[in-house]
Amino acid sequence: DTEVTQTPKHLVMGMTNKKSLKCEQHMGHRAMYWYKQKAKKPPELMFVYSYEKLSINESVPSRFSPECPNSSLLNLHLHALQPEDSALYLCASSQPFGEAKNIQYFGAGTRLSVL
Amino acid sequence: AQSVAQPEDQVNVAEGNPLTVKCTYSVSGNPYLFWYVQYPNRGLQFLLKYITGDNLVKGSYGFEAEFNKSQTSFHLKKPSALVSDSALYFCAVRDMSSSASKIIFGSGTRLSIRP
Repeated sequence: DTEVTQTPKHLVMGMTNKKSLKCEQHMGHRAMYWYKQKAKKPPELMFVYSYEKLSINESVPSRFSPECPNSSLLNLHLHALQPEDSALYLCASSQPFGEAKNIQYFGAGTRLSVL
Repeated sequence: AQSVAQPEDQVNVAEGNPLTVKCTYSVSGNPYLFWYVQYPNRGLQFLLKYITGDNLVKGSYGFEAEFNKSQTSFHLKKPSALVSDSALYFCAVRDMSSSASKIIFGSGTRLSIRP
């Protein structure tokens, strides 16, 4: 099973709302990622968790707050977003760096619209 | 710094003809290279990888890629294109300067297969 599940598939929120994106994997991977992807562009890395600890934050604004409650789950909490934050948010997982087969497996994404 | 370049924004091929999607890389040391495909409104799917070994790597859906160290290239190929191969293709390289499992994506190439 190489499945990464993301919920919800679509999300529309106002600029004052608080919402959360969820990601789950049961492949035993110990690295999990959040990416932001604009239309027809490559994914941009936002955060990396390795062994449930935040290892990379690519200077993401504080209105995005990641959380990794356990090795299978990854959340992205959203608050006071701007319309330019509208994008496809992708979650991925892999074995951590140093493992020979650390291929990243991606979820289908959450399409976020900020009004 | 590690990087990959995809020189073609779009590649158009007739069904049944061979296809090539180009990728060149710039790394210090031995590269870890990947190809991913993204269908509309979906996440990225892993196609194949090169770590070490044979220069011709076979992957999913009949795709293969040829690693060429002298030309620093990792072009994606398929002998006979299908309409269903139409999608956005990303080349990627492992960022060896990062202690986490970070990969760097190319800008993407849209492959369009006409019937």
